[in-house]
Amino acid sequence: DIQMTQSPSTLSASVGDRVTITCRASQNIDSWLAWYQQIPGRAPKLLIYKASTLESGVPSRFSGSGSGTEFTLTISSLQPDDLATYYCHQHHSYPLTFGGGTKVEIK
Amino acid sequence: QLQLQESGPGLVKPSETLSLICAVSGGSISSGSYYWGWIRQPPGKGLEWIGSMFYSGNTYYNPSLKSRVTIYIETSKNQVSLKLSSVTDADTAVYYCARRPYSGSYSDWGQGTLVTVSS
Repeated sequence: DIQMTQSPSTLSASVGDRVTITCRASQNIDSWLAWYQQIPGRAPKLLIYKASTLESGVPSRFSGSGSGTEFTLTISSLQPDDLATYYCHQHHSYPLTFGGGTKVEIK
Repeated sequence: QLQLQESGPGLVKPSETLSLICAVSGGSISSGSYYWGWIRQPPGKGLEWIGSMFYSGNTYYNPSLKSRVTIYIETSKNQVSLKLSSVTDADTAVYYCARRPYSGSYSDWGQGTLVTVSS
């Protein structure tokens, strides 16, 4: 199985801060990586697919980069609505796997 | 607009079989090249992929659950079903159904349904 490791597991930042979350795959997954946002009590929402493509309707402050085994999700200016847990997800190989999540808190 | 709605018993006894349905509206399950999948999330924990079925019939399961899982599509009812046998406390989770296009990511999700395993 491909292991997905996210860091940090929790981060606290102020409104307006630039926030970066890292995801590492245990083997090459090319660009078959997605990022999801999960607000408490809600289903995950797709933000980024193919590592760097913004899903329709997602604010442009979200961006993704990387390929192979190293990926990042960046929020350019943190907003109160961004309080959530973020997951990376690889669909390069079965079984599909998710990272452990990064909980973003607002200071 | 596509909508997915999970339903099923909220309480299942240990050793029994968990059965859930994902009703699809706003689109046909049999149209287009999509995978229909199930993902679960134990309370307070992360996401675990259970398995998926391609619209044409191929199924893919998480090896950790493979011996207990069955996913199937009923095109006449426009729904996707999940069966998980011999459940234990560890199967207590919110269960989501979701759709992803061939070579794509899960872009459409149901709201999820909580299933508790308890006697």
